[in-house]
Amino acid sequence: SQQGEEDPQALSIQEGENATMNCSYKTSINNLQWYRQNSGRGLVHLILIRSNEREKHSGRLRVTLDTSKKSSSLLITASRAADTASYFCATDKAAGNKLTFGGGTRVLVKP
Amino acid sequence: NAGVTQTPKFQVLKTGQSMTLQCAQDMNHNSMYWYRQDPGMGLRLIYYSASEGTTDKGEVPNGYNVSRLNKREFSLRLESAAPSQTSVYFCASSLGRGELFFGEGSRLTVL
Repeated sequence: SQQGEEDPQALSIQEGENATMNCSYKTSINNLQWYRQNSGRGLVHLILIRSNEREKHSGRLRVTLDTSKKSSSLLITASRAADTASYFCATDKAAGNKLTFGGGTRVLVKP
Repeated sequence: NAGVTQTPKFQVLKTGQSMTLQCAQDMNHNSMYWYRQDPGMGLRLIYYSASEGTTDKGEVPNGYNVSRLNKREFSLRLESAAPSQTSVYFCASSLGRGELFFGEGSRLTVL
């Protein structure tokens, strides 16, 4: 079974709006990462947040982590058509050295 | 800088045939991974190699074998392909417990 589960599975917004997606996981983690995948391409790393961090920013991206609720959120502000992609969270469990991916959120940004 | 290179990009096999997917990275990373991606299921870890000379099973190793040929190369072999192995296969590498760098994927169809 997947360690991380994203919600919603799909999201459609207008250009300029914010997009928020959530990730829940089951076991203790070392870090949580978010990746983007454009159609037909490989995954690209966006941001990593460690278990002792609560919030992290990178450009138009904001990630939060709540270890007590075992959840994380990714916010994309002022979305652009180029942000259309699938977004995946991945958890690095506290024990082990491998990432486990969720099923992803498909984001469509309409111009 | 090529990053992670996978070959072949596309392959069609008949049930029972064998093949090897090749992966090479030029970033001097210690860890390498093979994932498969099926529609709506995100990525699932097949095998990984934390360092040269070591390999470990992931979530879905049945029907696959791997070889960490040297620090740069990590190959995935299907000995007797089955239709259930129709998928997109991604190789990735990392320096340690951090960001993964992905190849562009190998699209395999088993008839």
